[in-house]
Amino acid sequence: EVQLLESGGGLVQPGGSLRLSCAASGFTFSNYAINWVRQAPGKGLEWVSGIGGSSGSTFYADSVKGRFTISRDNSKNTVYLQINSLRAEDTAVYYCAKADASYVLRNYFDYWGQGTLVTVSS
Amino acid sequence: DIQMTQSPSTLSASVGDRVTITCRASQNVNTWLAWYQQKPGKAPKLLMSQASSLESGVPSRFSGGGSGTEFTLTISSLQPDDFATYYCQQYIGFSTFGQGTKVEIK
Repeated sequence: EVQLLESGGGLVQPGGSLRLSCAASGFTFSNYAINWVRQAPGKGLEWVSGIGGSSGSTFYADSVKGRFTISRDNSKNTVYLQINSLRAEDTAVYYCAKADASYVLRNYFDYWGQGTLVTVSS
Repeated sequence: DIQMTQSPSTLSASVGDRVTITCRASQNVNTWLAWYQQKPGKAPKLLMSQASSLESGVPSRFSGGGSGTEFTLTISSLQPDDFATYYCQQYIGFSTFGQGTKVEIK
């Protein structure tokens, strides 16, 4: 059974940093791209970042480029999202989502984690 | 960025109704389109990909259609479990989602 488990969310002050983790199981982790999608309270879904499976190629939405860094450790079946210079508008539930192939582009998300809440507030 | 626009934003319907949600893309996305269902406090669930390819385990009352810039998600006979918010997603480039359509009980 495919499982994705996010952790690392919490309350952080504006300008602060957090590292989110997504621990995966139930599939050959290195063969699949993993993405982060966020959802602000009461709002819709926004793709944030993705990382390829074997290639490790990384991609970012313009809204987070330069502040967020995605990485993966295939030996630990885990993807990370380092988020820096946090702003109030980054407040959201952050989901990790598995792609159906090893590449980020031209891919939909077939499994999602339960999400981790990031709240940016002073 | 490719903008995705869903209509309506909210849909009030009764059990047994046939409902259709429309998703329009600001550019041609061919059939690189997926639909998701989300219930309150839960993660989105993939319903279909490639505009009309139903995921395993998704009831056959769900169907999708369209190509290019206009797409539809149809539920042929609404069931109690179907009251939720539905999102379309284009993935011809970096993914973008529609703003969502909430299907509520009439």
